[in-house]
Amino acid sequence: DAGVTQSPTHLIKTRGQQVTLRCSPKSGHDTVSWYQQALGQGPQFIFQYYEEEERQRGNFPDRFSGHQYPNYSSELNVNALLLGDSALYLCASSLDVQWITEAFFGQGTRLTVV
Amino acid sequence: AQTVTQSQPEMSVQEAETVTLSCTYDTSESDYYLFWYKQPPSRQMILVIRQEAYKQQNATENRFSVNFQKAAKSFSLKISDSQLGDAAMYFCAYRSAAGTASKLTFGTGTRLQVTL
Repeated sequence: DAGVTQSPTHLIKTRGQQVTLRCSPKSGHDTVSWYQQALGQGPQFIFQYYEEEERQRGNFPDRFSGHQYPNYSSELNVNALLLGDSALYLCASSLDVQWITEAFFGQGTRLTVV
Repeated sequence: AQTVTQSQPEMSVQEAETVTLSCTYDTSESDYYLFWYKQPPSRQMILVIRQEAYKQQNATENRFSVNFQKAAKSFSLKISDSQLGDAAMYFCAYRSAAGTASKLTFGTGTRLQVTL
């Protein structure tokens, strides 16, 4: 079982550009959540996808958008990048079952905006 | 909205000793889950232990145990017989039991150093 995989592992972008980050969930998982972790901080929830739709959203601007494909893989898109978007972006997958509480995380994508 | 507070930015423990990491949270919900995650330099979040709020018994996983005080909204992690591999960032996290696969709310983390 490959677990949660994210690509790329590192990325450098210029302010104003757009970026797409990718996530493949753990085998059998149908729910994907994205988190932003700024340096020295805890992860902050961006949004969650289930059945190809955004189900929950955190306090992030519309510049942050996502997508989930029929195979449950997901993308996080950020438009008009700001210096403050520099962070570690974590993807977590889980199963949409009430008593299943564990979320499995990938190793993240380190985004640097210059 | 729920909040999670970790008031210890850094902690240090000698190998084989015991250390306790603190976490408090604020919620108006009665049913929820609490977690401790470990984040080593590899960056991947690893689940250490979980606690269901409706269970009075404190969770235990080998050398890791929690002290869950629901009324005080406190959820501390005790690491016994500390090992060098325990050195990492530790995050306390909250998840509502309402609905399925709800989001996690994290604290700011505690960096644990393990010395010889």
